Amino acid sequence: GNSVTQMEGPVTLSEEAFLTINCTYTATGYPSLFWYVQYPGEGLQLLLKATKADDKGSNKGFEATYRKETTSFHLEKGSVQVSDSAVYFCALYSSGTYKYIFGTGTRLKVLA
Amino acid sequence: GAVVSQHPSRVICKSGTSVKIECRSLDFQATTMFWYRQFPKKSLMLMATSNEGSKATYEQGVEKDKFLINHASLTLSTLTVTSAHPEDSSFYICSAHLAGSTDTQYFGPGTRLTVL
Repeated sequence: GNSVTQMEGPVTLSEEAFLTINCTYTATGYPSLFWYVQYPGEGLQLLLKATKADDKGSNKGFEATYRKETTSFHLEKGSVQVSDSAVYFCALYSSGTYKYIFGTGTRLKVLA
Repeated sequence: GAVVSQHPSRVICKSGTSVKIECRSLDFQATTMFWYRQFPKKSLMLMATSNEGSKATYEQGVEKDKFLINHASLTLSTLTVTSAHPEDSSFYICSAHLAGSTDTQYFGPGTRLTVL
């Protein structure tokens, strides 16, 4: 079945450091891929998405590229800020199942 | 655009009582809404898919008589936790498909349920 694997956290970085959060997936067909962010006590917010191979999603300085050959969708940001501290979820949507599959989430803590 | 609200944001109830949580799409119509449960420091677990005007589809292991879902209109779905017990305490999150964009869900802010 479909699945999403994320690197375990927490990830602790200093402000302005480079961020990578790894995400790999297993799916049949051609799923859409997403990154969601959850701030403390809140629901999930869509951060970025990509719907086909080689697509790059980007938003607020975050980027992720849909790599079909490595079945990956790693999240990157060149310079993190304290305000980026949150939990990040990688997810896939399969039109075959009409369901989202979420990774376990990676907690990011950015120190000033 | 594409805002989803939930009410209440936080509820505390006594064991044995029932609690209703509302999920509304504020500026769009949602033929399909989803209900998730999130345990502390864990990922989201899909509980059920709610389709307007029809019965909800529950995931394996989710008791449909325990978690009643009603999707009475294109902008409102409700989750009722019946005869709540402390183990039902959790963070419940709903989401909605934006019509015409079946792969993108927009999430509500969540409801923190505490059963004493």
